[in-house]
Amino acid sequence: SQTIHQWPATLVQPVGSPLSLECTVEGTSNPNLYWYRQAAGRGLQLLFYSVGIGQISSEVPQNLSASRPQDRQFILSSKKLLLSDSGFYLCAWSPEETGGAYGYTFGSGTRLTVV
Amino acid sequence: KQEVTQIPAALSVPEGENLVLNCSFTDSAIYNLQWFRQDPGKGLTSLLLIQSSQREQTSGRLNASLDKSSGRSTLYIAASQPGDSATYLCAVIAEAGTALIFGKGTTLSVSS
Repeated sequence: SQTIHQWPATLVQPVGSPLSLECTVEGTSNPNLYWYRQAAGRGLQLLFYSVGIGQISSEVPQNLSASRPQDRQFILSSKKLLLSDSGFYLCAWSPEETGGAYGYTFGSGTRLTVV
Repeated sequence: KQEVTQIPAALSVPEGENLVLNCSFTDSAIYNLQWFRQDPGKGLTSLLLIQSSQREQTSGRLNASLDKSSGRSTLYIAASQPGDSATYLCAVIAEAGTALIFGKGTTLSVSS
């Protein structure tokens, strides 16, 4: 069966520090991968999605970047965090060949607090 | 641009009540619609997926319906329980292979 892992679960970082959040999927190959952010009082906002290694699409211009160095690994990064980067970050995947016909599966999330 | 709205934003009911959560979307040309549950501080758990050719899906005490022409979906919860307390999120996919677009959710509180 397929599983998705995110870490760390919680993170407190000072303003101006770097960030690296990791997401991996097991039990499948060539998944579509997504990063979402959920800020307090706001809905889930799509940040990045990837349909293959090295293929990243950005939905919102911001202080963050994403990379996909391996087929089942998706990394969210920042060189210098801002207070506004605080939020709950969720990774999701869907089978590439289905185009999302059978739904999306989410990880357990990372709570990031920038102080 | 597709927008998803969920009403009400919050709902409090006593245990045992049947309830309906509403979701509307502005563009009826969707690929599918998915309902999720989110407990405080946790990730999203998929509840029901309705593909564009379907009208409803059922899982236990949950029933979700889809009316594409009117841009609406409802999630029906029968005989609510305190364990149903959570935020319920509706999301649509506009086209195959694209990302989910979410509503802001309905926060449900069921009291015993």
